[in-house]
Amino acid sequence: DTAVSQTPKYLVTQMGNDKSIKCEQNLGHDTMYWYKQDSKKFLKIMFSYNNKELIINETVPNRFSPKSPDKAHLNLHINSLELGDSAVYFCASRPAQGGNEQFFGPGTRLTVL
Amino acid sequence: GENVEQHPSTLSVQEGDSAVIKCTYSDSASNYFPWYKQELGKGPQLIIDIRSNVGEKKDQRIAVTLNKTAKHFSLHITETQPEDSAVYFCAASGHPGAGSYQLTFGKGTKLSVIP
Repeated sequence: DTAVSQTPKYLVTQMGNDKSIKCEQNLGHDTMYWYKQDSKKFLKIMFSYNNKELIINETVPNRFSPKSPDKAHLNLHINSLELGDSAVYFCASRPAQGGNEQFFGPGTRLTVL
Repeated sequence: GENVEQHPSTLSVQEGDSAVIKCTYSDSASNYFPWYKQELGKGPQLIIDIRSNVGEKKDQRIAVTLNKTAKHFSLHITETQPEDSAVYFCAASGHPGAGSYQLTFGKGTKLSVIP
């Protein structure tokens, strides 16, 4: 079974649309993250959630909003998509106890036309 | 905040040779330094990590060294194989007070192992 899963794997959409990316982890972890990887492969954290509480919100446009219906899920909603939003988005999770290791999902490649 | 610099950005080695990737960090409070391997079309996967109370750690052909005074750490891969070809990322983790152990990543090194 996949530890951290994301859907969809690919997402192609038009500018101005609203879209969501889903993330689920079956590891029982307490903290989940969203990262953005740009075309130059640079990985940058966007959000993290711990027990349904937003802990980090980097300088990300408010068009991006994380939603966590429960501890195992952290979805990413994006409104009014722009060309610059095109990137690969990774979800990750980390246990509350036992170490700092973050487990990454397979990524969602978002293309905005 | 933390800033992590990684060099080189690309590295080509002959199969069987060693590869070394170096990173520096800026926040002296950082205490956790993982290395991730990202294969094409996949998410980053942890290959080795080191904490600030340790100077060196080995796992088969992979080793990491940490110099806290100089604030730099390195990844060493010996006896490289074609399947080692990937993009490697170093990262540094902020102190527990940050609440979520935020990882700041270097910009990555694309390693190519030539058969």
